[in-house]
Amino acid sequence: GAVVSQHPSRVICKSGTSVKIECRSLDFQATTMFWYRQFPKQSLMLMATSNEGSKATYEQGVEKDKFLINHASLTLSTLTVTSAHPEDSSFYICSASHTSGGTTDTQYFGPGTRLTVL
Amino acid sequence: GNSVTQMEGPVTLSEEAFLTINCTYTATGYPSLFWYVQYPGEGLQLLLKATKADDKGSNKGFEATYRKETTSFHLEKGSVQVSDSAVYFCALSDGRDDKIIFGKGTRLHILP
Repeated sequence: GAVVSQHPSRVICKSGTSVKIECRSLDFQATTMFWYRQFPKQSLMLMATSNEGSKATYEQGVEKDKFLINHASLTLSTLTVTSAHPEDSSFYICSASHTSGGTTDTQYFGPGTRLTVL
Repeated sequence: GNSVTQMEGPVTLSEEAFLTINCTYTATGYPSLFWYVQYPGEGLQLLLKATKADDKGSNKGFEATYRKETTSFHLEKGSVQVSDSAVYFCALSDGRDDKIIFGKGTRLHILP
């Protein structure tokens, strides 16, 4: 099946620094990628949807300038948490779809990245 | 708005026990319903789905029936195995876009 990887799997950073998380589709071209955030014992919350070569669409309440998303190629999307603060500590999960927009059952999920901001 | 509520875990069972993980939803229209599974260290995988009322999704011995009258999509398995230990997420999509709304997840531990 289709495989999506994320790097790093864990990151610890100091408050005020920026952190970049990569999401790669390893064996297919992802026209759409989704970024989710999961708090402990909470649901996965969609943060943004990105299509290759265009600007990401952010969900209501998600700060665009705080969470920068770049989908520069059909196999790579990055999420940069800028000027991270402890409240940004969370588990970030990406998914990728290989149809335009995708249907829900063709989203393939990465293993997630745990961010801890000290 | 749309939402998914599933039973809180962790759920601990012995091998070969019967499993039920409850899931109810709130949605306008006729959503599609899903169960995803996340094994340790891996990404979420689609386990099964149902797209209309009374449909039964099944995979790997797991089943769930789309019950519109009770707005439920409970996950069941007749005889669980240690390898079923994972986190299970109930989810829905209302079809207007490709967004998935997830429940909080239920961690399942199966003891040998």
